Amino acid sequence: QVLLTQPPSASASLGASVRLTCTLSSGLSDFGIAWYQQQPKKVPRYLMNVNSDGSHDRGDGIPDRFSGSAFGAERYLTISSLQSEDEAVYYCQTWGTGSGAWVFGGGTKLTVL
Amino acid sequence: QVQLVESGGGLVKPGGSLTVSCTASGFNFRDNYMNWIRQAPGKGLEWIACIGGSPNTIFYADSVKGRFTVSRDNAQKSVFLQMNSLGADDTSVYFCANSPYGDFFDSWGQGILVTVSS
Repeated sequence: QVLLTQPPSASASLGASVRLTCTLSSGLSDFGIAWYQQQPKKVPRYLMNVNSDGSHDRGDGIPDRFSGSAFGAERYLTISSLQSEDEAVYYCQTWGTGSGAWVFGGGTKLTVL
Repeated sequence: QVQLVESGGGLVKPGGSLTVSCTASGFNFRDNYMNWIRQAPGKGLEWIACIGGSPNTIFYADSVKGRFTVSRDNAQKSVFLQMNSLGADDTSVYFCANSPYGDFFDSWGQGILVTVSS
């Protein structure tokens, strides 16, 4: 079973940077993931996908303050120059093998201090 | 621009059925995988169904397999989710989302609330 683990919460100060982590379950270190942002009471928004080699592709209109990287089974979303509107829940998501399953992590609630 | 609009949600009794729809515009609907993702109140996101461009490319999450049926009408640029044997834990906002390559979910609808309660 494909599992994605995210810390439930994170915080960082306005103007600072923060790195959010998504950990793929054992044996899945070759999988790519996608990151989504869900602001309070809003629809989730696709941010980017991150490949196992750390390369990433941002979605349309996503500012370059958002970047992705990878190390082993961990996938990262780094947000620099934090703004108040970055306060949101961030979800990672991957896609399975022949079973066709798509899986979300539990989400990390980011608080901008 | 891409637009996905869900409709058909509402209140349904436990054990009942409901069909929600999603109408798309602004992209090549026929070539996209279409997905249903739900979010229970105060909870995270759960992918539940995917339908590809070809009739046999259909996948379900275990939580809905055998109860929910996804279908699409390419001429109408619409995707449907028929939900049977609904229970309280099916209460969620249901989003449709397109996936150009069958991996990530590119654009999302505004969501439609389905409430299962007596």
